[in-house]
Amino acid sequence: QSALTQPPSASGSPGQSVTISCTGTSSDVGGYNYVSWYQQHPGKAPKLMIYEVSKRPSGVPDRFSGSKSGNTASLTVSGLQAEDEADYYCSSYAGSIHVVFGGGTKLTVL
Amino acid sequence: EVQLVESGGGLVQPGRSLRLSCAASGFTFDDYAMHWVRQAPGKGLEWVSGISWNSGSIGYADSVKGRFTISRDNAKNSLYLQMNSLRAEDTALYYCAKERVGRAFDIWGQGTMVTVSS
Repeated sequence: QSALTQPPSASGSPGQSVTISCTGTSSDVGGYNYVSWYQQHPGKAPKLMIYEVSKRPSGVPDRFSGSKSGNTASLTVSGLQAEDEADYYCSSYAGSIHVVFGGGTKLTVL
Repeated sequence: EVQLVESGGGLVQPGRSLRLSCAASGFTFDDYAMHWVRQAPGKGLEWVSGISWNSGSIGYADSVKGRFTISRDNAKNSLYLQMNSLRAEDTALYYCAKERVGRAFDIWGQGTMVTVSS
């Protein structure tokens, strides 16, 4: 049950695009199409942004998109806005109700 | 309104026990698996434990296996986490989360803080 690997930080200017990676193994990210991404602002509970690799819940802007290749999943935020500045966490189903999270990426909008 | 409200956190000495509760409302509780996720101060999210809708499938992180027990009471729309033999490293904000189709957590509570210290 090792944590998924995310870069500790990412940044971009308003209007630009930024991609955050999430690397696991064949036992989690590579084994299931159940990768999720969460946004967390300081002092707030996490918010689901992407599920099943690339699906967006109702109300999440289409500026947020997800993808996966092998054992690595990615979250892309296009048209960066100031309110996108937050911590982002990936997670993956790992079998038998187990879930594993990434260490988190702090996204800074310059 | 769909809502999860955690309670039961507090300051506890190492080696002691604590029981967390999560009250669900606004959705059909017994249709969904539920989970506990924790976040140590200034750190990332850590999955702690999950339980299927009928308690038939239960799982724990290695870090809490053998010490924590998850349970649910569908008649009371409630989720629980019994935490025994608490350690300093269990200090965290504990979130209750609802699992939606796709193995994702779509509803989160506000969290309850557990501090393990002498």
